[in-house]
Amino acid sequence: GIQVEQSPPDLILQEGANSTLRCNFSDSVNNLQWFHQNPWGQLINLFYIPSGTKQNGRLSATTVATERYSLLYISSSQTTDSGVYFCAVEDNNAGNMLTFGGGTRLMVKP
Amino acid sequence: ETGVTQTPRHLVMGMTNKKSLKCEQHLGHNAMYWYKQSAKKPLELMFVYNFKEQTENNSVPSRFSPECPNSSHLFLHLHTLQPEDSALYLCASSQGQVAGTGELFFGEGSRLTVL
Repeated sequence: GIQVEQSPPDLILQEGANSTLRCNFSDSVNNLQWFHQNPWGQLINLFYIPSGTKQNGRLSATTVATERYSLLYISSSQTTDSGVYFCAVEDNNAGNMLTFGGGTRLMVKP
Repeated sequence: ETGVTQTPRHLVMGMTNKKSLKCEQHLGHNAMYWYKQSAKKPLELMFVYNFKEQTENNSVPSRFSPECPNSSHLFLHLHTLQPEDSALYLCASSQGQVAGTGELFFGEGSRLTVL
């Protein structure tokens, strides 16, 4: 099956700093999503982005499908950005199966 | 408020108990999913239902029994579980497409502890 690797696994930022999270995947995809898991466990949709660039407030994401990676940018980080960020992909032959990466655990310090 | 609600949010059960997790989606989606999240592991897909029909069973032990009475409701019936089944169980829904999952939306999760 498709492999999904996220980096870095852990990240500590000072409030106000910017960061880039990376998601590499091993095959062509027809679905890529970024999620934020808050401290209570809920996974919040950030982006549905199989290709191209999208922006939502301080967050933006870019997927370069031909090179098999996606980037999540967080600008002017806030303590509420803390949590785990997951990338999930679905390859063209997977049917209804998203494969999740291992996540990036982000801590933003005040 | 999320469009996908799960109950209960927390559950503690013994190995001989029978309990059920419930999920309801208010998004008009046709596909629903159960995922398991254990400590130090990636999310694992357990079951997929499309228009009430089970389309995926990802080699899940029979002590987990899903039920999907309609496109808005999904249950996970639990019986004779093991302590290693303790985990966060996440329900999700999507407007499933012919070619795949579509955009996935998660509930808040049910944290299960098996004693």
